[in-house]
Amino acid sequence: QKEVEQDPGPLSVPEGAIVSLNCTYSNSAFQYFMWYRQYSRKGPELLMYTYSSGNKEDGRFTAQVDKSSKYISLFIRDSQPSDSATYLCAMIILNSNSGYALNFGKGTSLLVTP
Amino acid sequence: DAGVTQSPTHLIKTRGQHVTLRCSPISGHKSVSWYQQVLGQGPQFIFQYYEKEERGRGNFPDRFSARQFPNYSSELNVNALLLGDSALYLCASQLATGTETQYFGPGTRLLVL
Repeated sequence: QKEVEQDPGPLSVPEGAIVSLNCTYSNSAFQYFMWYRQYSRKGPELLMYTYSSGNKEDGRFTAQVDKSSKYISLFIRDSQPSDSATYLCAMIILNSNSGYALNFGKGTSLLVTP
Repeated sequence: DAGVTQSPTHLIKTRGQHVTLRCSPISGHKSVSWYQQVLGQGPQFIFQYYEKEERGRGNFPDRFSARQFPNYSSELNVNALLLGDSALYLCASQLATGTETQYFGPGTRLLVL
C-alpha cells in the first residue's frame, strides 16, 4: 500500500461545475500538505500549501485537511477549461531525517469541457 | 527572474548507456531535489542536495547518483540504463532545505530503447 493514495480519474466536468479532488494517506507523520497542478508535458506548479486541519481558501480554490481521518481535498469552484490538468497531492514529514522530500499521490486527471 | 531550468529537454538512449541531466535552480536558492515521474504516476523522490551535500535519498538503486556544484546547479547521473528508467526527470529548487515551497522545472524527458 502506497503512503499517499489518489484516484487517477479521469474526471470530466462541464464548465462552471464544482470539482472535488481527494487524497488519503496512511502515515500520520505527514504534517504539511500541498496541491500541485501539472499541465501536459510541464513540471508541477504549486497551487495550495497548508499544515493544519481545516480549510484554506485562495480565489476559486479551497484546500481542506482532516488529519484525524488522514484525508485531504481540493475544491475548485466555477471550473474553467483552463483548469484541465493533472492535480497532484503531496505531503511532507516534519523533521525528517532524510530531507524534506515531497511524497506525491498518483495525480487526478481533470477535464473541464466548455 | 528565470525559473528552474533543465537540460536537455528530451533525450533518447539505449539500454546500458549512461546519462547526465542538468538543473539550474532559481537564483538565490541553495537546495535542489530530483524526482522521477513515470507516465501516469506522481513524481517519486530521488535526491535532495543542499549546500553541495546530500540531505536526502529516495529508494533508488546505486545506478542513480547526483551532485551539486558551488553555483548550486546540479547534475543527475544514471548508469547502466534500463527500459524502466524511461520517465520525466524533474528538478525542484528550494530556498534552503525544509518545508519551504519547492519550485519545479519543466523536466527532462528520457526515453530508453
